[in-house]
Amino acid sequence: QKEVEQDPGPLSVPEGAIVSLNCTYSNSAFQYFMWYRQYSRKGPELLMYTYSSGNKEDGRFTAQVDKSSKYISLFIRDSQPSDSATYLCAMSPVSVGTDKLIFGTGTRLQVFP
Amino acid sequence: DAGVTQSPTHLIKTRGQQVTLRCSPKSGHDTVSWYQQALGQGPQFIFQYYEEEERQRGNFPDRFSGHQFPNYSSELNVNALLLGDSALYLCASSLAGQVITFFGQGTRLTVV
Repeated sequence: QKEVEQDPGPLSVPEGAIVSLNCTYSNSAFQYFMWYRQYSRKGPELLMYTYSSGNKEDGRFTAQVDKSSKYISLFIRDSQPSDSATYLCAMSPVSVGTDKLIFGTGTRLQVFP
Repeated sequence: DAGVTQSPTHLIKTRGQQVTLRCSPKSGHDTVSWYQQALGQGPQFIFQYYEEEERQRGNFPDRFSGHQFPNYSSELNVNALLLGDSALYLCASSLAGQVITFFGQGTRLTVV
């Protein structure tokens, strides 16, 4: 079993839709949770990060962490064609010296006009 | 503010050859990590350098080695290239003790 599971998609939605992207994980030591956006043939771009459980909002993006269920989500409101990309969740334990990131496989999102 | 920069952007090598990839971290960052991303997969951690020492290492063979220079820039070396080493190699930088990590645009390595 992989430490981080993510549905690879593809997920295809119309412009303006609310998108929900999710990851589950098995390692209870994970404390930092990040979402990256990666356009085709580019490096990952950090979108949001959260520490421990709770919600965090930034513009059209909302990140949620439920540590009791080992489940994290990224919501995109009013989705735009420019949001079409692969979305990667990443996680890390809190201990210094073990701060490598563990990634999901990524979910490919396509927003059509 | 220049972010993480990598060179070259693309590279084609023959099986058995050696390759060196280069990375300059984001201004103010002192920790550099390298990741390998195969097509359709998430990035996999190779190793991390801090204070010119390898601090952590992922599950990669000794053919993968690295170096960090006093100005925090870094190199990734891969010896005896295999076809399976074809991937996007990502350099990432952060501040020591902080998890927030920024990535470069990657070097796409093709082994033929």
